[in-house]
Amino acid sequence: GENVEQHPSTLSVQEGDSAVIKCTYSDSASNYFPWYKQELGKGPQLIIDIRSNVGEKKDQRIAVTLNKTAKHFSLHITETQPEDSAVYFCAARSNTGNQFYFGTGTSLTVIP
Amino acid sequence: GAGVSQSPSNKVTEKGKDVELRCDPISGHTALYWYRQSLGQGLEFLIYFQGNSAPDKSGLPSDRFSAERTGGSVSTLTIQRTQQEDSAVYLCASSDRGIQPQHFGDGTRLSIL
Repeated sequence: GENVEQHPSTLSVQEGDSAVIKCTYSDSASNYFPWYKQELGKGPQLIIDIRSNVGEKKDQRIAVTLNKTAKHFSLHITETQPEDSAVYFCAARSNTGNQFYFGTGTSLTVIP
Repeated sequence: GAGVSQSPSNKVTEKGKDVELRCDPISGHTALYWYRQSLGQGLEFLIYFQGNSAPDKSGLPSDRFSAERTGGSVSTLTIQRTQQEDSAVYLCASSDRGIQPQHFGDGTRLSIL
Protein backbone atom coordinates (compact mmCIF):
# COMPACT_ATOMS: atom_id res chain seq x y z
CA GLY A 1 0.00 0.00 0.00
CA GLU A 2 0.84 3.67 -0.09
CA ASN A 3 3.27 5.20 2.42
CA VAL A 4 3.31 8.97 2.89
CA GLU A 5 6.12 10.64 4.81
CA GLN A 6 5.98 14.28 5.91
CA HIS A 7 8.72 16.63 7.07
CA PRO A 8 9.36 18.53 9.23
CA SER A 9 7.20 17.52 12.17
CA THR A 10 7.48 21.01 13.66
CA LEU A 11 8.29 24.32 12.01
CA SER A 12 8.62 27.82 13.46
CA VAL A 13 8.91 30.89 11.25
CA GLN A 14 8.83 34.62 11.78
CA GLU A 15 5.74 36.44 10.59
CA GLY A 16 6.18 37.44 6.97
CA ASP A 17 8.64 34.66 6.16
CA SER A 18 7.85 31.63 4.00
CA ALA A 19 7.12 28.10 5.20
CA VAL A 20 7.70 24.91 3.24
CA ILE A 21 6.43 21.46 4.15
CA LYS A 22 7.47 18.40 2.16
CA CYS A 23 5.88 15.01 1.60
CA THR A 24 6.99 11.91 -0.25
CA TYR A 25 4.84 9.01 -1.39
CA SER A 26 5.61 5.48 -2.50
CA ASP A 27 2.81 4.44 -4.86
CA SER A 28 3.38 5.72 -8.39
CA ALA A 29 -0.33 5.15 -9.07
CA SER A 30 -1.28 7.95 -6.66
CA ASN A 31 -2.85 10.76 -8.61
CA TYR A 32 -4.46 13.17 -6.15
CA PHE A 33 -2.72 15.08 -3.37
CA PRO A 34 -4.68 17.29 -0.96
CA TRP A 35 -3.32 19.42 1.87
CA TYR A 36 -5.27 20.02 5.06
CA LYS A 37 -5.00 22.56 7.87
CA GLN A 38 -6.16 21.48 11.30
CA GLU A 39 -6.72 23.94 14.11
CA LEU A 40 -7.03 22.89 17.71
CA GLY A 41 -10.31 21.11 18.41
CA LYS A 42 -11.38 21.22 14.76
CA GLY A 43 -11.42 18.78 11.90
CA PRO A 44 -8.94 19.09 9.03
CA GLN A 45 -9.91 21.67 6.44
CA LEU A 46 -8.85 21.37 2.81
CA ILE A 47 -6.64 24.31 1.82
CA ILE A 48 -5.30 23.27 -1.57
CA ASP A 49 -5.01 20.15 -3.71
CA ILE A 50 -3.23 19.05 -6.84
CA ARG A 51 -3.78 16.28 -9.36
CA SER A 52 -1.04 14.38 -11.08
CA ASN A 53 -1.59 16.01 -14.46
CA VAL A 54 -0.18 19.35 -13.23
CA GLY A 55 3.09 20.29 -11.60
CA GLU A 56 2.08 23.37 -9.63
CA LYS A 57 -1.00 25.08 -8.30
CA LYS A 58 -1.31 28.39 -6.51
CA ASP A 59 -4.04 30.05 -4.47
CA GLN A 60 -3.06 33.47 -3.13
CA ARG A 61 -0.34 32.87 -0.49
CA ILE A 62 -0.48 29.09 -0.78
CA ALA A 63 1.08 26.95 -3.47
CA VAL A 64 1.68 23.25 -3.98
CA THR A 65 4.27 21.66 -6.25
CA LEU A 66 4.36 18.06 -7.43
CA ASN A 67 7.29 16.08 -8.78
CA LYS A 68 5.90 12.79 -10.08
CA THR A 69 9.29 11.42 -11.05
CA ALA A 70 10.70 11.87 -7.56
CA LYS A 71 7.32 11.15 -5.95
CA HIS A 72 7.28 14.17 -3.72
CA PHE A 73 5.06 17.19 -3.27
CA SER A 74 5.42 20.33 -1.20
CA LEU A 75 3.28 23.03 0.37
CA HIS A 76 4.55 26.59 0.23
CA ILE A 77 3.06 29.37 2.34
CA THR A 78 4.37 32.87 1.66
CA GLU A 79 4.04 36.01 3.80
CA THR A 80 3.05 33.91 6.79
CA GLN A 81 0.65 35.33 9.37
CA PRO A 82 -0.04 34.25 12.96
CA GLU A 83 -3.36 32.77 11.88
CA ASP A 84 -1.46 30.33 9.68
CA SER A 85 -0.33 28.59 12.89
CA ALA A 86 -1.88 25.11 12.86
CA VAL A 87 -1.09 21.49 12.05
CA TYR A 88 -0.83 20.75 8.34
CA PHE A 89 -1.35 17.31 6.82
CA CYS A 90 -0.54 16.07 3.35
CA ALA A 91 -2.34 13.11 1.80
CA ALA A 92 -2.22 10.93 -1.28
CA ARG A 93 -4.91 8.96 -3.03
CA SER A 94 -4.27 6.17 -5.46
CA ASN A 95 -6.35 5.69 -8.58
CA THR A 96 -6.46 1.99 -7.71
CA GLY A 97 -8.13 2.27 -4.31
CA ASN A 98 -10.54 4.08 -2.06
CA GLN A 99 -8.23 5.20 0.65
CA PHE A 100 -6.47 8.45 1.38
CA TYR A 101 -3.09 8.04 3.04
CA PHE A 102 -2.06 10.85 5.36
CA GLY A 103 1.28 12.15 6.50
CA THR A 104 1.93 12.48 10.22
CA GLY A 105 1.46 16.24 10.23
CA THR A 106 3.55 19.39 10.64
CA SER A 107 2.92 21.75 13.50
CA LEU A 108 3.53 25.25 12.13
CA THR A 109 4.04 28.17 14.48
CA VAL A 110 4.21 31.71 13.08
CA ILE A 111 5.90 34.02 15.53
CA PRO A 112 4.54 37.60 15.51
CA GLY B 1 -25.28 24.04 8.28
CA ALA B 2 -23.95 22.49 5.12
CA GLY B 3 -20.92 20.78 6.60
CA VAL B 4 -20.25 17.33 8.04
CA SER B 5 -21.81 17.02 11.48
CA GLN B 6 -20.58 14.65 14.17
CA SER B 7 -22.10 13.84 17.53
CA PRO B 8 -21.41 13.81 20.34
CA SER B 9 -18.48 16.23 20.26
CA ASN B 10 -17.12 14.67 23.44
CA LYS B 11 -17.75 11.31 25.03
CA VAL B 12 -16.38 10.00 28.31
CA THR B 13 -17.14 6.41 29.24
CA GLU B 14 -15.87 3.61 31.39
CA LYS B 15 -13.73 0.80 30.12
CA GLY B 16 -15.85 -2.10 28.92
CA LYS B 17 -18.84 -0.01 27.87
CA ASP B 18 -20.09 0.22 24.29
CA VAL B 19 -20.17 3.58 22.48
CA GLU B 20 -21.86 4.84 19.33
CA LEU B 21 -20.56 7.78 17.34
CA ARG B 22 -22.69 9.46 14.70
CA CYS B 23 -21.82 11.19 11.44
CA ASP B 24 -24.13 13.23 9.21
CA PRO B 25 -22.37 13.76 5.87
CA ILE B 26 -22.90 16.63 3.49
CA SER B 27 -26.17 16.13 1.65
CA GLY B 28 -25.66 14.31 -1.63
CA HIS B 29 -22.19 13.02 -0.82
CA THR B 30 -22.04 9.32 -1.62
CA ALA B 31 -18.65 8.59 -0.05
CA LEU B 32 -18.12 8.52 3.71
CA TYR B 33 -14.92 7.83 5.64
CA TRP B 34 -14.12 7.22 9.30
CA TYR B 35 -10.66 7.97 10.71
CA ARG B 36 -9.05 7.78 14.12
CA GLN B 37 -6.61 10.42 15.29
CA SER B 38 -4.60 9.74 18.40
CA LEU B 39 -3.02 12.62 20.31
CA GLY B 40 -0.41 14.33 18.18
CA GLN B 41 -0.68 11.73 15.45
CA GLY B 42 -1.86 11.57 11.88
CA LEU B 43 -5.12 10.15 10.62
CA GLU B 44 -5.61 6.39 10.73
CA PHE B 45 -8.11 5.10 8.15
CA LEU B 46 -10.88 2.92 9.62
CA ILE B 47 -13.65 2.34 7.08
CA TYR B 48 -15.01 3.69 3.79
CA PHE B 49 -18.54 3.64 2.37
CA GLN B 50 -19.33 4.39 -1.28
CA GLY B 51 -22.95 4.39 -2.31
CA ASN B 52 -24.49 0.94 -2.16
CA SER B 53 -21.18 -0.89 -2.54
CA ALA B 54 -19.81 -3.13 0.18
CA PRO B 55 -17.79 -0.99 2.61
CA ASP B 56 -14.00 -1.15 2.73
CA LYS B 57 -13.42 -2.30 6.32
CA SER B 58 -9.71 -2.94 5.95
CA GLY B 59 -8.73 -0.29 8.51
CA LEU B 60 -10.84 -1.47 11.43
CA PRO B 61 -8.35 -2.39 14.19
CA SER B 62 -10.36 -5.21 15.77
CA ASP B 63 -13.74 -6.94 15.69
CA ARG B 64 -14.87 -4.64 18.51
CA PHE B 65 -15.20 -1.92 15.87
CA SER B 66 -18.08 -1.82 13.41
CA ALA B 67 -19.85 0.78 11.33
CA GLU B 68 -22.99 1.06 9.32
CA ARG B 69 -24.50 3.59 6.99
CA THR B 70 -28.26 3.69 6.78
CA GLY B 71 -30.00 4.86 3.65
CA GLY B 72 -26.75 6.01 2.14
CA SER B 73 -26.60 8.98 4.48
CA VAL B 74 -26.05 8.90 8.26
CA SER B 75 -23.32 6.62 9.57
CA THR B 76 -22.74 5.17 13.03
CA LEU B 77 -19.39 3.88 14.30
CA THR B 78 -19.78 1.45 17.18
CA ILE B 79 -17.02 0.38 19.54
CA GLN B 80 -17.87 -2.52 21.82
CA ARG B 81 -16.21 -3.32 25.13
CA THR B 82 -14.11 -0.16 24.97
CA GLN B 83 -10.47 -0.22 26.03
CA GLN B 84 -8.28 2.66 27.17
CA GLU B 85 -6.31 2.50 23.92
CA ASP B 86 -9.52 3.41 22.08
CA SER B 87 -9.21 6.94 23.47
CA ALA B 88 -8.78 9.24 20.48
CA VAL B 89 -10.58 11.70 18.24
CA TYR B 90 -12.78 9.95 15.71
CA LEU B 91 -13.20 11.93 12.52
CA CYS B 92 -15.74 11.49 9.76
CA ALA B 93 -15.38 12.84 6.24
CA SER B 94 -17.57 12.80 3.16
CA SER B 95 -16.96 13.48 -0.51
CA ASP B 96 -18.85 13.49 -3.76
CA ARG B 97 -18.45 9.99 -5.24
CA GLY B 98 -15.16 9.49 -3.43
CA ILE B 99 -13.12 11.19 -6.12
CA GLN B 100 -13.60 14.74 -5.00
CA PRO B 101 -11.97 16.37 -1.96
CA GLN B 102 -12.97 15.13 1.46
CA HIS B 103 -14.77 17.41 3.88
CA PHE B 104 -14.25 16.63 7.55
CA GLY B 105 -16.40 17.05 10.60
CA ASP B 106 -14.90 18.35 13.84
CA GLY B 107 -14.75 14.87 15.32
CA THR B 108 -15.81 13.11 18.49
CA ARG B 109 -13.24 13.17 21.28
CA LEU B 110 -13.56 9.80 23.03
CA SER B 111 -12.06 9.27 26.46
CA ILE B 112 -12.08 5.84 28.10
CA LEU B 113 -11.58 5.89 31.86
